[in-house]
Amino acid sequence: GNSVTQMEGPVTLSEEAFLTINCTYTATGYPSLFWYVQYPGEGLQLLLKATKADDKGSNKGFEATYRKETTSFHLEKGSVQVSDSAVYFCALLNSGYSTLTFGKGTMLLVSP
Amino acid sequence: GAVVSQHPSWVICKSGTSVKIECRSLDFQATTMFWYRQFPKQSLMLMATSNEGSKATYEQGVEKDKFLINHASLTLSTLTVTSAHPEDSSFYICSAPSTGTGYNEQFFGPGTRLTVL
Repeated sequence: GNSVTQMEGPVTLSEEAFLTINCTYTATGYPSLFWYVQYPGEGLQLLLKATKADDKGSNKGFEATYRKETTSFHLEKGSVQVSDSAVYFCALLNSGYSTLTFGKGTMLLVSP
Repeated sequence: GAVVSQHPSWVICKSGTSVKIECRSLDFQATTMFWYRQFPKQSLMLMATSNEGSKATYEQGVEKDKFLINHASLTLSTLTVTSAHPEDSSFYICSAPSTGTGYNEQFFGPGTRLTVL
């Protein structure tokens, strides 16, 4: 079956630090991969996505590259801000299916 | 972007009562909506797929008589937790794919925190 594994949080960083949140997946076929972000008190928002191997998704300074050989989709940002504090979810959508499979989420806390 | 709302945002009820949670797509129509349940420090677990004009499709292990889903219109789906018990306490989230984008982009509601005493 499909599964997504994320690093456990919380991840605590100072402002302007480099961020990496690891995500690996198990799936048959060729899934699309996503990162969602959930700010306090809000719903999940799509942060970025990649639909095939070697694609790089990017948005708001965040990046993630679809690595088929390592079945990974790690989220990175070069310089985090306090406003990036949120919970980040890695997810996959397998081809032919309509439902997302989520990781457990990783809380990011950025201090000034 | 597309907006999905949920009501109420939180609810506390006594054991044995029923609770209804609404999910609305505010600026787009959704023939399909998804209901998730999220436990603390856990991932979102898909409970069921709500289909406008037809019966919902439940995931394995989800009691359809316990979690009643009604997709009455193209903008509204409701989840009713019947005879709620403390183990039903959780965070319930709905989502809807926006028309024209296929299933590659879903829009999520802010969630409803249910506490059963």
